[in-house]
Amino acid sequence: ETGVTQSPTHLIKTRGQQVTLRCSSQSGHNTVSWYQQALGQGPQFIFQYYREEENGRGNFPPRFSGLQFPNYSSELNVNALELDDSALYLCASSLRPESAYEQYFGPGTRLTVT
Amino acid sequence: KQEVTQIPAALSVPEGENLVLNCSFTDSAIYNLQWFRQDPGKGLTSLLLIQSSQREQTSGRLNASLDKSSGRSTLYIAASQPGDSATYLCAVRREETSGSRLTFGEGTQLTVNP
Repeated sequence: ETGVTQSPTHLIKTRGQQVTLRCSSQSGHNTVSWYQQALGQGPQFIFQYYREEENGRGNFPPRFSGLQFPNYSSELNVNALELDDSALYLCASSLRPESAYEQYFGPGTRLTVT
Repeated sequence: KQEVTQIPAALSVPEGENLVLNCSFTDSAIYNLQWFRQDPGKGLTSLLLIQSSQREQTSGRLNASLDKSSGRSTLYIAASQPGDSATYLCAVRREETSGSRLTFGEGTQLTVNP
C-alpha cells in the first residue's frame, strides 16, 4: 500500500509568482487536507477536499485555492506569492472527512519565496 | 477558538532520562488528541492517538495521558535515546462530520545528548 506522496520536494519562487503543489492520497482515501507550517510553528489548517469539493477552510485568503481530482489526488495553488508564504506545506489523506478517521501525512513540500 | 499550547518549547536532556512533554488546550470539547514526531524538514509521524473517552495510550517507551476536563495531555518518554531527538507536536480535533481539522501546538524541540 502506497502512502501519501507530495511533489515537488522543494521549490523556490519569486514574490508575485504563482505555484502549484501536488499530493497523491493513500490508496482508498477520498479526503485530502492541506496544512501550512511556517518555520518554528505548528501546522495550520488551510482547507480540506472531499469528493472533489472544498469541505472546510481555515483562515487563509482566497489566493490559496485547491482542486481534487476523480482519483482523489489534490493540488494546492497559491497566487501572488508573498514572502510570508515561505513554509512547509503538508497534505494529509483520510478514508473520510469525519473526525473518526485518522489523517495520514505526506513528507511535505518546502516552498521558499524570495 | 481552540488554542493549543506546548511547554516547554525546547528541552535538552542527557541520554537515559525519563521526560515529560506537556500540552494544554482551551476548548475541552475535543474528539481526540494526537501526538506526532517531526524530524527537521520532514513530515509528521503519528506516535499516539487518544480518543476523548480514553485516559491514556502506550506504545513502547511512550505513554500519553489525557485529562479532557482540565484541557491537558502529557507525553512521557522513558529512558530517552539520542534517536528520540526531534520536535514533538500535539494536535486536537473537534467532533465534526465534515471539514474535520487538526489544531496543532507549536511543538517541543527535544535534544537527547549521548
